[in-house]
Amino acid sequence: GQQLNQSPQSMFIQEGEDVSMNCTSSSIFNTWLWYKQDPGEGPVLLIALYKAGELTSNGRLTAQFGITRKDSFLNISASIPSDVGIYFCAGQTYYKLSFGAGTTVTVRA
Amino acid sequence: DTAVSQTPKYLVTQMGNDKSIKCEQNLGHDTMYWYKQDSKKFLKIMFSYNNKELIINETVPNRFSPKSPDKAHLNLHINSLELGDSAVYFCASSQAGGSSMPSGANVLTFGAGSRLTVL
Repeated sequence: GQQLNQSPQSMFIQEGEDVSMNCTSSSIFNTWLWYKQDPGEGPVLLIALYKAGELTSNGRLTAQFGITRKDSFLNISASIPSDVGIYFCAGQTYYKLSFGAGTTVTVRA
Repeated sequence: DTAVSQTPKYLVTQMGNDKSIKCEQNLGHDTMYWYKQDSKKFLKIMFSYNNKELIINETVPNRFSPKSPDKAHLNLHINSLELGDSAVYFCASSQAGGSSMPSGANVLTFGAGSRLTVL
């Protein structure tokens, strides 16, 4: 199946810091998505990217769809305590959404 | 109103039992999914239905049987539960799902999950 490599696996960040995480794949995707999962909840969509090279922002979040269509990154600027959670990248082709293994973010106050 | 709702949220049962998890979406979406999240938080697709028709069936034991009575509901029935079935099961839906064109119609909305514990 399609495999997405997401890094880092986990990170501790200081409140106010900017952070980055990324995903790479050997497969080409039509769409890249970034989701966040809070404890006890389902993943919630943060940003969707539909075109190679596209750079999209949503508040303090910025994500890019790589030119090769095989990678994407997510930046969070000026971290706050509620940024804690697991961030998942996901690549989509046809009906199937394949997920990365997640990046667990913990914020130090 | 919850967009994608699953019941029960928690389910604790003995090995060998049969159990069901129900899912309903009120978004008017055509496609519904079941994902399994293991203890390492990895999300893996199990099934997908488009307008009550099965379109994705990953390598899942046939003890798992999805049923879609209508496009707003996708239930998951599990027979002869095993310890390894313990996980969080997520239902999701999307407006479409079969298009190769990148589109917001393919974006998934997830339920809150059903945590299954098999003892």
